[in-house]
Amino acid sequence: GDSVTQMEGPVTLSEEAFLTINCTYTATGYPSLFWYVQYPGEGLQLLLKATKADDKGSNKGFEATYRKETTSFHLEKGSVQVSDSAVYFCALRQAEYGNKLVFGAGTILRVKS
Amino acid sequence: DAEITQSPRHKITETGRQVTLACHQTWNHNNMFWYRQDLGHGLRLIHYSYGVQDTNKGEVSDGYSVSRSNTEDLPLTLESAASSQTSVYFCASSEEGYTGELFFGEGSRLTVL
Repeated sequence: GDSVTQMEGPVTLSEEAFLTINCTYTATGYPSLFWYVQYPGEGLQLLLKATKADDKGSNKGFEATYRKETTSFHLEKGSVQVSDSAVYFCALRQAEYGNKLVFGAGTILRVKS
Repeated sequence: DAEITQSPRHKITETGRQVTLACHQTWNHNNMFWYRQDLGHGLRLIHYSYGVQDTNKGEVSDGYSVSRSNTEDLPLTLESAASSQTSVYFCASSEEGYTGELFFGEGSRLTVL
């Protein structure tokens, strides 16, 4: 079945450091790809998405590019802030799998001032 | 503003008791989902519904049931709570298709003693 693998955390960075969180997927069709973020004590909210190959999703300084050839959707940010500390989830969704959202295990990001 | 709300936000119960978690959305979405979140597993799908009177099992449905009598609500019932069902539960809704985002509630933390 469809699956998502993302790098294990926690990832600890200093403020203004560059962030990369790796995400790769396995899917039989052509999924849409998402990054969700969960701040402490809250539900999940959409950070960015891409619905076809080579699309780049971006939001709040974060970006990720849908790479079909490497089945990847890595999340990047050029300069992280303490307020970016959260759990980040990579996910996919496709019609062949009933439009359900399939999540990776999540990556905890801690940013130190 | 449209929203999705869960209740109760926190619940402590005993093994063997029946528990119902409520989910109510005002987006008028046909698609609704229940996930559980556990450390190291990300979010796993319990049940989902594509519309009134439609319910489907997800990957971890044993011990849970749902019913969909209207568009707005998808209550999740634990027929006989077990300690393994201690978790944080998230409800979500979305429009049809696989390119749109899921909108999540703030979660219900359930502890089974």
